[in-house]
Amino acid sequence: GDSVTQMEGPVTLSEEAFLTINCTYTATGYPSLFWYVQYPGEGLQLLLKATKADDKGSNKGFEATYRKETTSFHLEKGSVQVSDSAVYFCALSGGGAQKLVFGQGTRLTINP
Amino acid sequence: EAQVTQNPRYLITVTGKKLTVTCSQNMNHEYMSWYRQDPGLGLRQIYYSMNVEVTDKGDVPEGYKVSRKEKRNFPLILESPSPNQTSLYFCASSPDWTGNTGELFFGEGSRLTVL
Repeated sequence: GDSVTQMEGPVTLSEEAFLTINCTYTATGYPSLFWYVQYPGEGLQLLLKATKADDKGSNKGFEATYRKETTSFHLEKGSVQVSDSAVYFCALSGGGAQKLVFGQGTRLTINP
Repeated sequence: EAQVTQNPRYLITVTGKKLTVTCSQNMNHEYMSWYRQDPGLGLRQIYYSMNVEVTDKGDVPEGYKVSRKEKRNFPLILESPSPNQTSLYFCASSPDWTGNTGELFFGEGSRLTVL
């Protein structure tokens, strides 16, 4: 079945550092890809998405590009802030399944 | 305010004592779903509902029941909880499910501990 693999966490960075969180997927067909963010004590919320190959999703300074050739959707941000500390989930939908398939999540901590 | 509301937020119970986690959304969404979140496993779907009176199993439905008698409510029922159901539970909703939009609106979660 479809699956999503994220880089192991936790990830700890200093403020203004460059962030990359790796995400690769296995899916039949052409899934849509998403990044969700979970702030402490809250539910998940959609951060960005891409629905076809070579699309770039972006929001709040975060970006991710749908790379079909490498089956990847890595999350990047040029300069992180303390407020970006959260758990980040990569997810996909597709294949007719009525659900999102999530990766295991990556906990990010940004130190001032 | 548009939201998905879950109750209780925290619960400690004992094996075998039936419990219900309620979920209500005020956005008139057709699609609703329950996920459980466990360390190292991400979120896994328990049940989902495409509309009133239409429910179906997700990936990990064993030990759970759901109902969808009204559009806004989608309770999760644990008839006889066991320790392996200790988890963080999320209810989510969406206007409908097309897959491409992928935007689920999540509740704040219900942390359940079964002793």
